[in-house]
Amino acid sequence: SQTIHQWPATLVQPVGSPLSLECTVEGTSNPNLYWYRQAAGRGLQLLFYSVGIGQISSEVPQNLSASRPQDRQFILSSKKLLLSDSGFYLCAWSLGQTSSSTDTQYFGPGTRLTVL
Amino acid sequence: EDQVTQSPEALRLQEGESSSLNCSYTVSGLRGLFWYRQDPGKGPEFLFTLYSAGEEKEKERLKATLTKKESFLHITAPKPEDSATYLCAVQAGLESGGSNYKLTFGKGTLLTVNP
Repeated sequence: SQTIHQWPATLVQPVGSPLSLECTVEGTSNPNLYWYRQAAGRGLQLLFYSVGIGQISSEVPQNLSASRPQDRQFILSSKKLLLSDSGFYLCAWSLGQTSSSTDTQYFGPGTRLTVL
Repeated sequence: EDQVTQSPEALRLQEGESSSLNCSYTVSGLRGLFWYRQDPGKGPEFLFTLYSAGEEKEKERLKATLTKKESFLHITAPKPEDSATYLCAVQAGLESGGSNYKLTFGKGTLLTVNP
């Protein structure tokens, strides 16, 4: 069965500091990978998605970036954090079906980021 | 633009008191509607995918139904362990400019079941 890991679970960072969040998936090959942010009182917002190594698409312009150095590893980064970057960051994976059927996304446990 | 509105924002039930959560959506060509359960401080857990109006799916005390404009999540005889936030999301069809990847989420309904 497939398992998705995220770390760290919680993070408190000062404004202007760098960020690196990591996500790994086990039990599947060449998954689609996603980064979401969930802010208080708002729905989940898709930040980035990746259909393969080195292939990253951005949904929302911001000071965050994503990378996929390995097939099952997805990293969310920032060079300088803003107060508005605080939130709950979720990584998700899907099988990557490109047919007319839907492609269910499965979420990881999340990282709670607080920027002070 | 795809939109998902969930109601009520919060619902408090007594154990055994059945009720329904609503998810109203606006999307050009629905490809799929998803229900997730999210416990506090955790990632969403997948529950159901519905594809077309009239479709129903069940899992334990939960039953999801779909019409052309909304979906309902019916909870029968809920227990305290059913307490969570329930999220609804839609995916637009490719022929309508939708993406294989983008889900549009509602803000969720916080369900509390008291013993």
